[in-house]
Amino acid sequence: GENVEQHPSTLSVQEGDSAVIKCTYSDSASNYFPWYKQELGKGPQLIIDIRSNVGEKKDQRIAVTLNKTAKHFSLHITETQPEDSAVYFCASRGGSYIPTFGRGTSLIVHP
Amino acid sequence: NAGVTQTPKFRVLKTGQSMTLLCAQDMNHEYMYWYRQDPGMGLRLIHYSVGEGTTAKGEVPDGYNVSRLKKQNFLLGLESAAPSQTSVYFCASSRSPANTEAFFGQGTRLTVV
Repeated sequence: GENVEQHPSTLSVQEGDSAVIKCTYSDSASNYFPWYKQELGKGPQLIIDIRSNVGEKKDQRIAVTLNKTAKHFSLHITETQPEDSAVYFCASRGGSYIPTFGRGTSLIVHP
Repeated sequence: NAGVTQTPKFRVLKTGQSMTLLCAQDMNHEYMYWYRQDPGMGLRLIHYSVGEGTTAKGEVPDGYNVSRLKKQNFLLGLESAAPSQTSVYFCASSRSPANTEAFFGQGTRLTVV
């Protein structure tokens, strides 16, 4: 089955800095890569996703890049703010229709 | 629009007791999932369903059973709770086809003593 590795497990940045979270996947048939943000006491919520026919996607301060050859994708957050502090999960989904999640990255943005 | 609703939000069980967690979605989604979240382990799939009347095992199914008698509901049962089942449980749903967003509930925090 699919295996998704996510790094780092914890990321601490100063407000205004950029943050990058990286994931690798194993199944070459995977074609959908969502990113979820989980705030304290809540369920994960989709913040951005990318499909295999696209190399990069941006939404305001958030961007995701995908390298299908190397089987890795990354989340980039620019101009971080304290409200960006949360746990972020990457996921990969292929022909099985079942998303496989990374172990999560706890992002801490210091004011 | 409620989305995905989990009941209850918190529960404390004694070892050996049984309980059922209810997940309800109002988005007419075909796929529903149960995950458990433990520190440092991310989201691990317990069971899932690809449609009414169907269920399948995920990564960590032992000690759990599920039922999907109605399309909008997905029940997770613990027949004999164990301390190792102390966790936060999340239900999620998504529509067909495959490459679409999963919507999560707010979670159920279960403690087994």
